[in-house]
Amino acid sequence: GAGVSQSPSNKVTEKGKDVELRCDPISGHTALYWYRQSLGQGLEFLIYFQGNSAPDKSGLPSDRFSAERTGGSVSTLTIQRTQQEDSAVYLCASSLITSGGTYSTDTQYFGPGTRLTVL
Amino acid sequence: AQSVTQPDIHITVSEGASLELRCNYSYGATPYLFWYVQSPGQGLQLLLKYFSGDTLVQGIKGFEAEFKRSQSSFNLRKPSVHWSDAAEYFCAVGVLYRLSFGAGTTVTVRA
Repeated sequence: GAGVSQSPSNKVTEKGKDVELRCDPISGHTALYWYRQSLGQGLEFLIYFQGNSAPDKSGLPSDRFSAERTGGSVSTLTIQRTQQEDSAVYLCASSLITSGGTYSTDTQYFGPGTRLTVL
Repeated sequence: AQSVTQPDIHITVSEGASLELRCNYSYGATPYLFWYVQSPGQGLQLLLKYFSGDTLVQGIKGFEAEFKRSQSSFNLRKPSVHWSDAAEYFCAVGVLYRLSFGAGTTVTVRA
């Protein structure tokens, strides 16, 4: 079946511009996650959604970052006024919630990522 | 707070030789542990996971990992490496909905 898809696969932008990154989770997966992978920081958790709600946004690095999810499916991560330190690969993952809400045992399936380069 | 350490940044192994990747975790409660692999330009693929029970876990692609609570370790092994195993490997601990990853180990396979 189809896995998690992300678009665009690559994005080059100029400092100060806004960018939108899209994630299409696996059909039927109610949980959705965003991570960032950068040379300096490794893999970092950003935010997760349960349905359309984001109970924990504490991983977002600044208020320039926001995310939304609509229809319990597609999610968009928006970065406003991009900075060079935002350059990274942004990974999206999704999972079923089968663990009675504890989440820890739910396998997260990752998309191929969006490579963002801020010039 | 939980953390994961992968002591080896880079490992080179000959095709057909055995491979062991080290992972140490720090977490106060029962850890939920994962190994993921990332090939160049690809997303992360789950190799195996440990929640409870048998401490030797079998995964895909011939990999296995052993949980040792006394050593706070979850090392990944493969008896005979194939050239296609060249990739970056990440150990992670799951706490609620968050995965906390180690820095990764890059594996190079030489002919």
